[in-house]
Amino acid sequence: KQEVTQIPAALSVPEGENLVLNCSFTDSAIYNLQWFRQDPGKGLTSLLLIQSSQREQTSGRLNASLDKSSGRSTLYIAASQPGDSATYLCAVLFGNEKLTFGTGTRLTIIP
Amino acid sequence: NAGVTQTPKFRVLKTGQSMTLLCAQDMNHEYMYWYRQDPGMGLRLIHYSVGEGTTAKGEVPDGYNVSRLKKQNFLLGLESAAPSQTSVYFCASSRGTEVHTEAFFGQGTRLTVV
Repeated sequence: KQEVTQIPAALSVPEGENLVLNCSFTDSAIYNLQWFRQDPGKGLTSLLLIQSSQREQTSGRLNASLDKSSGRSTLYIAASQPGDSATYLCAVLFGNEKLTFGTGTRLTIIP
Repeated sequence: NAGVTQTPKFRVLKTGQSMTLLCAQDMNHEYMYWYRQDPGMGLRLIHYSVGEGTTAKGEVPDGYNVSRLKKQNFLLGLESAAPSQTSVYFCASSRGTEVHTEAFFGQGTRLTVV
């Protein structure tokens, strides 16, 4: 079964710190991996997309890496800010069809 | 540019009633998805479509039906609503397997079955 796991479920860090969110998946035959942000009661906002042939993608203070052989991706957030507080979701496109989500990491940045 | 639009945004149903959720996208995307999101469960795939006229089951398809008669629309139907279907429903679309394709989401439909 193709599964996506995100650990921890919740994380709190002081403002200004750098942090890493983790995503693991069970099948290395992925097409791409996408990181999303979700604010309470809202929809999903796409942050970064990594194709299976890529190792990393960067956007501003965000950097996402992909290691297919180990089935892992990380989202690195530099110099965290209170506005970064949200739930971060990892989604993997398996077999060119099914976009499968992890359960997310709820991030709280403490001012 | 509207992106992905879900209708309605909120709905309360009585057990046994039926309803249809509409997802519309204006980006000429091939792939469309319906998810439900429940506390502690993340987003679970209900049904999806890889093109007009096609549908396929996801992780939790029971109690739901879908149709993709037009490329821009993906309908999710509940024939006989149950309290267990109380959830937030999200629709998404993507170009499919083209390079750099990413999934775009609607704002969600909050459904309560009483």
